[in-house]
Amino acid sequence: KQEVTQIPAALSVPEGENLVLNCSFTDSAIYNLQWFRQDPGKGLTSLLLIQSSQREQTSGRLNASLDKSSGRSTLYIAASQPGDSATYLCAVNPNNQGGKLIFGQGTELSVKP
Amino acid sequence: EAQVTQNPRYLITVTGKKLTVTCSQNMNHEYMSWYRQDPGLGLRQIYYSMNVEVTDKGDVPEGYKVSRKEKRNFPLILESPSPNQTSLYFCASSIGNGANEQFFGPGTRLTVL
Repeated sequence: KQEVTQIPAALSVPEGENLVLNCSFTDSAIYNLQWFRQDPGKGLTSLLLIQSSQREQTSGRLNASLDKSSGRSTLYIAASQPGDSATYLCAVNPNNQGGKLIFGQGTELSVKP
Repeated sequence: EAQVTQNPRYLITVTGKKLTVTCSQNMNHEYMSWYRQDPGLGLRQIYYSMNVEVTDKGDVPEGYKVSRKEKRNFPLILESPSPNQTSLYFCASSIGNGANEQFFGPGTRLTVL
């Protein structure tokens, strides 16, 4: 059974710091891995999608990597800003499960001015 | 603007009173699905649909119904809501069979008294 774990559960950093969020999954048979951002009481905003054949994706200050063989993904945020404060969720899309995303519990990020 | 919309955004109801949460997407996506998000349990899939008139159960379908009569709409029906269905509900859509980037709606916060 696919399980997704995110460490740490919460993270507080000063503004300007570079940071890494971690995501691990137990089964490497996936179509892709997707990182989302969720603001309190709000919806999920897709940040980056990494296909199973890719190693990384970049969007602005965000860079996500995928090591499928070891079951790991990282989300790197450069030069963090208070507006980056949110919960970050990673989700894997397992093969042959009808498009069902398996989510981690999230990392709650707080960037202090 | 490409988006997934949900209505209502907030709903307080009483046990046993039938309700429908609507979901609509304007991206011509074949794949749509419903998730619920609960503290400590994360996001879990309720139902999904590969295309018009094609629906299937996710991990937690009990107490819910869906229909897909049109490509753009995928309503979630609670025939007889109970307090354990109090949750934050999300609709998502994706091109193809779900093995692509998924886009989420803003969420519907449901409280069943």
